Amino acid sequence: EAGVTQFPSHSVIEKGQTVTLRCDPISGHDNLYWYRRVMGKEIKFLLHFVKESKQDESGMPNNRFLAERTGGTYSTLKVQPAELEDSGVYFCASSQKGGTEAFFGQGTRLTVV
Amino acid sequence: GENVEQHPSTLSVQEGDSAVIKCTYSDSASNYFPWYKQELGKRPQLIIDIRSNVGEKKDQRIAVTLNKTAKHFSLHITETQPEDSAVYFCAASYGIKLIFGAGTRLAVHP
Repeated sequence: EAGVTQFPSHSVIEKGQTVTLRCDPISGHDNLYWYRRVMGKEIKFLLHFVKESKQDESGMPNNRFLAERTGGTYSTLKVQPAELEDSGVYFCASSQKGGTEAFFGQGTRLTVV
Repeated sequence: GENVEQHPSTLSVQEGDSAVIKCTYSDSASNYFPWYKQELGKRPQLIIDIRSNVGEKKDQRIAVTLNKTAKHFSLHITETQPEDSAVYFCAASYGIKLIFGAGTRLAVHP
């Protein structure tokens, strides 16, 4: 069974540019989460989808971040325009049910220069 | 607010010694507490979890304890080996999402 996959694995962009991260969850997992880890800090919650619906986006830093999950399958996280403080590793995770084991992707390391 | 505190941030032990990592959470309604291990360059992977209806769970050299009254939970690794070296994250459920601690970098020296 394929795990959670994320693309790209690394992205280096200039301040002001746009970047779109993609996450393919494990097939059949309704719950999809986005997290971000800034160097040395916690894995910080960004938002949670159940199928195509946003259940909780309380962790989204600001309106430069837009997440979608059209059709309830893969999800994208777009940052526009990117700022220096957006640098970090963006993790996607999925689970069958909320409050149970979440399976993580390998992460996308975003560097904004 | 939603908060998980994790200590220590770094931990260095000799091979064969025990390692203990401690976390506290803020919401008494939290009922699921997983621990993830992230090796260098790899994704975080679940190593053990505990639910609020039990106080302790063991899996070979790894154990987790939960004190609901104090809102504390801990990871215990016995007979540490070099391959245990990694960053360990605790997490607590808040509703149907997980809130993570800041991680503990464990180094096991041969």
